[in-house]
Amino acid sequence: KAGVTQTPRYLIKTRGQQVTLSCSPISGHRSVSWYQQTPGQGLQFLFEYFSETQRNKGNFPGRFSGRQFSNSRSEMNVSTLELGDSALYLCASSLAYRGLWFFGPGTRLTVL
Amino acid sequence: QQQVKQSPQSLIVQKGGIPIINCAYENTAFDYFPWYQQFPGKGPALLIAIRPDVSEKKEGRFTISFNKSAKQFSLHIMDSQPGDSATYFCAATDSWGKLQFGAGTQVVVTP
Repeated sequence: KAGVTQTPRYLIKTRGQQVTLSCSPISGHRSVSWYQQTPGQGLQFLFEYFSETQRNKGNFPGRFSGRQFSNSRSEMNVSTLELGDSALYLCASSLAYRGLWFFGPGTRLTVL
Repeated sequence: QQQVKQSPQSLIVQKGGIPIINCAYENTAFDYFPWYQQFPGKGPALLIAIRPDVSEKKEGRFTISFNKSAKQFSLHIMDSQPGDSATYFCAATDSWGKLQFGAGTQVVVTP
């Protein structure tokens, strides 16, 4: 089975712009979650989706949003980018929300 | 605040040594404890996981020890190899399935 895929792998944006990141879960997985990883804050939970419904949301401002489609693919959007949004954004998928989580390679976002 | 506390921040061992990483938690609602291995530029890879009703689990050279009463768990890497050099994260899953990660431990295995 193919693993979790994320596109694009690298992204450079400037402050004020917006960005959309994409995640395709492992085939058959219905839960998708997103994490932000930075050297200073470590791995921080953004949000989680199961069957197109947001089940959990982390402590991030409203500029961060996401959605899940009927095929379980997910996107996250960050509007009005700030320098501090530079990070590795990781997507993970699970068969169901109580299962094991498998991570993708991440999208490296750099905000200039 | 960090719900899962992980130590040490980094450690260096010689090839064949046994790096030990410790984690502690407070939330008794946590019911699943996975460990992840991350290489530079890659996403975290699931290594091994344990439930709190099991005191020890082994997979290859990786062993988790779990002490439910102390709310602590640890990862041992037996016969460590230079290829094991990576950052290791402990984590805990709550009843909602949300992963709470420790801060990570950078392990360096010298030849």
